[in-house]
Amino acid sequence: DQQVKQNSPSLSVQEGRISILNCDYTNSMFDYFLWYKKYPAEGPTFLISISSIKDKNEDGRFTVFLNKSAKHLSLHIVPSQPGDSAVYFCAATGNTGKLIFGQGTTLQVKP
Amino acid sequence: DVKVTQSSRYLVKRTGEKVFLECVQDMDHENMFWYRQDPGLGLRLIYFSYDVKMKEKGDIPEGYSVSREKKERFSLILESASTNQTSMYLCASSVTSGGTGELFFGEGSRLTVL
Repeated sequence: DQQVKQNSPSLSVQEGRISILNCDYTNSMFDYFLWYKKYPAEGPTFLISISSIKDKNEDGRFTVFLNKSAKHLSLHIVPSQPGDSAVYFCAATGNTGKLIFGQGTTLQVKP
Repeated sequence: DVKVTQSSRYLVKRTGEKVFLECVQDMDHENMFWYRQDPGLGLRLIYFSYDVKMKEKGDIPEGYSVSREKKERFSLILESASTNQTSMYLCASSVTSGGTGELFFGEGSRLTVL
């Protein structure tokens, strides 16, 4: 049972355009959401997070939007850069203390 | 900076061998985790630990065990490796006991079981 789903395995965008990565979850007990970025042969690194009491969090070029009623969050990268090419994982946690990850979306930003 | 170090980046083992994956963190974090990453499946939690000598099963603990004798060290053990355990293994640690804290990951250990 996949509680966190990233339904798009891959995404390709042109440099300078917006990248939108989507994530859906099923567990209404999740109250904190994170995005991680992973380059090949490296461990994932934290990118941005959002609490369920907010609907938007922004950090430079990265913005995460949370729609609790739809159980959906998205990561926007504007403008996209070739160095953003990586695998992006959405993750969620609630009162269990466990961080549950999605399947990941591979983003390719073309120069 | 937080550093999570995994002892082996690449391992090749034979079916039935016992495998130890070691992980050490240097920031006095209470929580440590073992995940495996597989294409199309994302990161799946194997085991985690909130304190020394404490361990909790994650979502896929079958075929694995763990050991946390010291706060900074969390070991993953495959008692009898099988080919379906070929994967990338990622260790992580965090400072917030409530589980909402950011996870800091090691670089990963790619295990191939022949």
